[in-house]
Amino acid sequence: AQSVAQPEDQVNVAEGNPLTVKCTYSVSGNPYLFWYVQYPNRGLQFLLKYITGDNLVKGSYGFEAEFNKSQTSFHLKKPSALVSDSALYFCAVRDPYNAGNMLTFGGGTRLMVKP
Amino acid sequence: DAGVTQSPTHLIKTRGQQVTLRCSPKSGHDTVSWYQQALGQGPQFIFQYYEEEERQRGNFPDRFSGHQFPNYSSELNVNALLLGDSALYLCASSFGTDSSYEQYFGPGTRLTVT
Repeated sequence: AQSVAQPEDQVNVAEGNPLTVKCTYSVSGNPYLFWYVQYPNRGLQFLLKYITGDNLVKGSYGFEAEFNKSQTSFHLKKPSALVSDSALYFCAVRDPYNAGNMLTFGGGTRLMVKP
Repeated sequence: DAGVTQSPTHLIKTRGQQVTLRCSPKSGHDTVSWYQQALGQGPQFIFQYYEEEERQRGNFPDRFSGHQFPNYSSELNVNALLLGDSALYLCASSFGTDSSYEQYFGPGTRLTVT
């Protein structure tokens, strides 16, 4: 079975500082990994994904994520946080060896960026 | 380019009733997945429809059922509603069942069961 853990319920960072939102996963084979962001009363917006290739993946709004197979992690990062980045962030995993494309999500991490 | 749309936005039902939620996929997408997001939790996969058939199902009882129409839109039906069914129901669309494609989510339907 596949699973995702987001160990931090909330991350606080000052505007202009770098941010990291942590994610670890468990899957039987090589994973497909995704990050989504959710603003209040909105659905999930896709940020970036790792399928194969370069371990550093760049996505929307200046976000990037680093895939680390040995640590089974896929942490989301941004060099300089904006107040508008404050939202709920979800990491998700998909096992490519299972039929279909069911996503398994972590519990989410609330990012608070203070001016 | 129209994104994923869902209706209604909000819904209040009583225990034991039945509800139908609707979803239209993003233009060009033919696969629809449904997720349940309880308050303070991550979304949980309910099922996926492709070519008008249920292709994959999560750990949900058969009170949860669905349908996909020839135009790729989809419905989620929940029978015999329980208080625990109160949640945000998210529809996601994608192209085909290739698991490397990202899914695009709608704004959700907020269901409250009283």
